[in-house]
Amino acid sequence: QSVLTQPPSVSGAPGQRVTISCTGSSSNIGAGYDVHWYQQLPGTAPKLLIYGNNNRPSGVPDRFSASKSGTSASLAITGLPAEDEADYYCQSYDSSLSDWVFGGGTKLTVL
Amino acid sequence: QVQLVESGGGVVQPGRSLRLSCAASGFTFSRYGMHWVRQVPGKGLEWVALIWDDGSNKYYADSLKGRFTISRDNSKNTLYLQMNSLRGEDTAVYYCARRIGYYFDFWGQGTLVTVSS
Repeated sequence: QSVLTQPPSVSGAPGQRVTISCTGSSSNIGAGYDVHWYQQLPGTAPKLLIYGNNNRPSGVPDRFSASKSGTSASLAITGLPAEDEADYYCQSYDSSLSDWVFGGGTKLTVL
Repeated sequence: QVQLVESGGGVVQPGRSLRLSCAASGFTFSRYGMHWVRQVPGKGLEWVALIWDDGSNKYYADSLKGRFTISRDNSKNTLYLQMNSLRGEDTAVYYCARRIGYYFDFWGQGTLVTVSS
């Protein structure tokens, strides 16, 4: 089981807003470690989507945003286009395990 | 532009060894720590190992300690992963990724390792 918990799947119609949650614990997100998000399009490598809880790398559209509170974080995607169908992973650092940890991934389906 | 290209994957029998390589270009390789991350086909991401920019420190996922060794050759801009005593559960796509703080800012395309008799 993954150290960070994500819903296995979410879906939304084109143009809608969807959110993906990421729940950790007091040894990772709750300990103050940042949460980062990655997008993995089908058949490709993961790509950095959000770093440092709510920062977008150059080239990432502003329809992607994220937040962190307590032991959880969430990724929001607004104005959902079909090309955002992908797997999304949250990631942080766990001080108890001394490991970089990931969520199990959430498959986004655009209906 | 930053490019990371993994190689060395393939089919290997249980108990055998394999060495993966990751050729880096487009940035000053010697200034960055580097990770290996793996992904069982159809499953999630699992961190494997980290090596500091100068190779002075190495960290491993607990489940892999003693079997996998991360190394680098800064003169060749190349990262390595030596995998020994391979098991079926090591079957995965192995990605190299550049370290920035506590996250991974660029990833290679991955190389598939299949452990099977």
